Amino acid sequence: QQQVKQSPQSLIVQKGGISIINCAYENTAFDYFPWYQQFPGKGPALLIAIRPDVSEKKEGRFTISFNKSAKQFSLHIMDSQPGDSATYFCAATYTGNQFYFGTGTSLTVIP
Amino acid sequence: GAVVSQHPSRVICKSGTSVKIECRSLDFQATTMFWYRQFPKKSLMLMATSNEGSKATYEQGVEKDKFLINHASLTLSTLTVTSAHPEDSSFYICSARDGGRGNEKLFFGSGTQLSVL
Repeated sequence: QQQVKQSPQSLIVQKGGISIINCAYENTAFDYFPWYQQFPGKGPALLIAIRPDVSEKKEGRFTISFNKSAKQFSLHIMDSQPGDSATYFCAATYTGNQFYFGTGTSLTVIP
Repeated sequence: GAVVSQHPSRVICKSGTSVKIECRSLDFQATTMFWYRQFPKKSLMLMATSNEGSKATYEQGVEKDKFLINHASLTLSTLTVTSAHPEDSSFYICSARDGGRGNEKLFFGSGTQLSVL
């Protein structure tokens, strides 16, 4: 079954706007939640990650919001730029286990 | 961040031939490497997990005799697609877990686009 559910499947945002991608998980054993960015023809690259002991983590224009009780986490891209256009994957794992990926969100930022 | 090198980036081969893809961790020791397959505009599909010095663990539905995985050292894993057929055409990506950094960080190679004619 899908361990991590991601939405939306695709997203179009105007330059300067905020892009929001959501993920939900079921397994409460997960203790590490990374987000990956993938450009066409390239492998995914780690963007930002969070652990469940904090509710928010910010790195530059990228912020993860984490809601442990709801078992949800989201990626916010502030001041979205055309160069942010890519596919974004959320993931979840716990120590020593495999990573479970969401189905991906294709983000297009319109100039 | 850590670097995972994957080669080749693109390969075109004739049906029936075998293709080897290499995945190297350049600046850390990868006790665990993962191999994924990705179809256009789709998510990552885990094929197998390989641990250095032991046999790979394959996901359900992945033919271990067709997709041979070798993880002979802490920095190198290889995926060999044996007797490739057009339906094996896909984007293959390796990843490695950096055990030295708390073993939760996963780094990906740049992927290999396999086209079988």
